[in-house]
Amino acid sequence: QTVVTQEPSFSVSPGGTVTLTCGLSSDSVSTSHYPSWYQQTPGQAPRTLIYSTNIRSSGVPDRFSGSILGNKAALTITGAQADDECVYYCVLYMRRGISVFGGGTKLTVL
Amino acid sequence: EVQLLESGGGLVQPGGSLRLSCAASGFTFSSYAMSWVRQAPGKGLEWVSAISDSGGGSYYADSVKGRFTISRDNSKNTVYLQVNSLRVEDTAMYYCANARVGVAAIDYWGQGTLVTVSS
Repeated sequence: QTVVTQEPSFSVSPGGTVTLTCGLSSDSVSTSHYPSWYQQTPGQAPRTLIYSTNIRSSGVPDRFSGSILGNKAALTITGAQADDECVYYCVLYMRRGISVFGGGTKLTVL
Repeated sequence: EVQLLESGGGLVQPGGSLRLSCAASGFTFSSYAMSWVRQAPGKGLEWVSAISDSGGGSYYADSVKGRFTISRDNSKNTVYLQVNSLRVEDTAMYYCANARVGVAAIDYWGQGTLVTVSS
């Protein structure tokens, strides 16, 4: 059973920089997993931030960036703002058409 | 502007069936794979199923394999999810989304349709 791992929670100061990660329980994440990142506030549909490792979705500000750091995918948020406080999900493409989401990271801005 | 509009959700008894629909506009539908993702109340996102741009390939999470069927009609810019043998644990908001790289890398999302399985 493939498990996609994310930090359950993270905190950042307003104006600060935070890097969230997305890993695999038994493998390294690479660009072949097309890691993608989503932001979700309560009661709303997810919003795509980054797809395919580092491509920003339409309208997403450049303070959100994606990368591979070591053996994980990473989402870096610079200049954190109060409305960045929400849950962030990553998804990895496994193979044979299957994708798996991570459990999400609840980001607190304080 | 890309729009994805889901419909077809509702209250159904365990063992029942529904057909979810997602009408797409604002992009060349037949050029993109499509996916369904669900979210149980208070839980995280769960990838459910995907279908290739032509409809020739379909893929399922183990949790729904054999019970759910994804399909698409490119002439109607619509993707469907037939959900059968529903269980209480299938209760969730079901989101339709398009994919950017084959069936991977979900980009645009709909607002979702709620499926409630309860007796």
